Amino acid sequence: DAKTTQPTSMDCAEGRAANLPCNHSTISGNEYVYWYRQIHSQGPQYIIHGLKNNETNEMASLIITEDRKSSTLILPHATLRDTAVYYCIVKAGGTSYGKLTFGQGTILTVHP
Amino acid sequence: NAGVTQTPKFRVLKTGQSMTLLCAQDMNHEYMYWYRQDPGMGLRLIHYSVGEGTTAKGEVPDGYNVSRLKKQNFLLGLESAAPSQTSVYFCASRIQGRSDTQYFGPGTRLTVL
Repeated sequence: DAKTTQPTSMDCAEGRAANLPCNHSTISGNEYVYWYRQIHSQGPQYIIHGLKNNETNEMASLIITEDRKSSTLILPHATLRDTAVYYCIVKAGGTSYGKLTFGQGTILTVHP
Repeated sequence: NAGVTQTPKFRVLKTGQSMTLLCAQDMNHEYMYWYRQDPGMGLRLIHYSVGEGTTAKGEVPDGYNVSRLKKQNFLLGLESAAPSQTSVYFCASRIQGRSDTQYFGPGTRLTVL
C-alpha cells in the first residue's frame, strides 16, 4: 500500500470549509484513497473513498488530482463536532485481507 | 440497526488474570477485525476473521486468542493479562468484496495493573 503524507494539525473556523490535504505520490493504479476520522475516545469512522473521480456524500467531498498523487478531503461547513484526527489511507481494493494501516493523521481543530 | 457493539466498555485487570472481549455486528458482514490503539499511535491489527469458523493472525497477535463461532460475533481473549496489554481495543467489520470500508465499534478501554 502506498505511503501517505498529511499535515500534523490544522485549524478551521466553525461554519467554514475545512480542506485536508493528503499526498500519496507513489499510488498505484488499483489503489483507492480512503478517509477515516477518529473523534476523541471513539472508534474510527469511515468518511469517504475514491479511485479516480471526485466523490461526494452527506459527510464530505473528496477531490483527487488528475495524476492521483494527492487528494483533498473537504468538509463543506465544519462544526465543533468535526474536531477529530483525520486519516488518509491508500489501499488496493480487496487485498491484504482488508487490513487498514492508520498513520498519524491530521488533527483538525474547529474553533467557534 | 446497532452496527458494531463492544462489551465491556471499560475493564481493569490484575496481571495474570484472564478475560474475553466481545464484539457483535448486526450488518451480516463476513470480515471482522480486532485492533489495539496505544497512546499517540495508530491502530494495530491483532487478529482478523474472514468468515464464521475462521481466524488469522494480524500484526501483533501474541498474548491474544480469538474465536468466531457465529458470524455476528468475534471474541478476543487474554489468557494471562500483562501490563503491556493496557490499551484501547477496537473491533471492526466489513462486507466481503473489493471495498475496504470498515465499520468500527466504540472501543474497550483495558487497564492491566
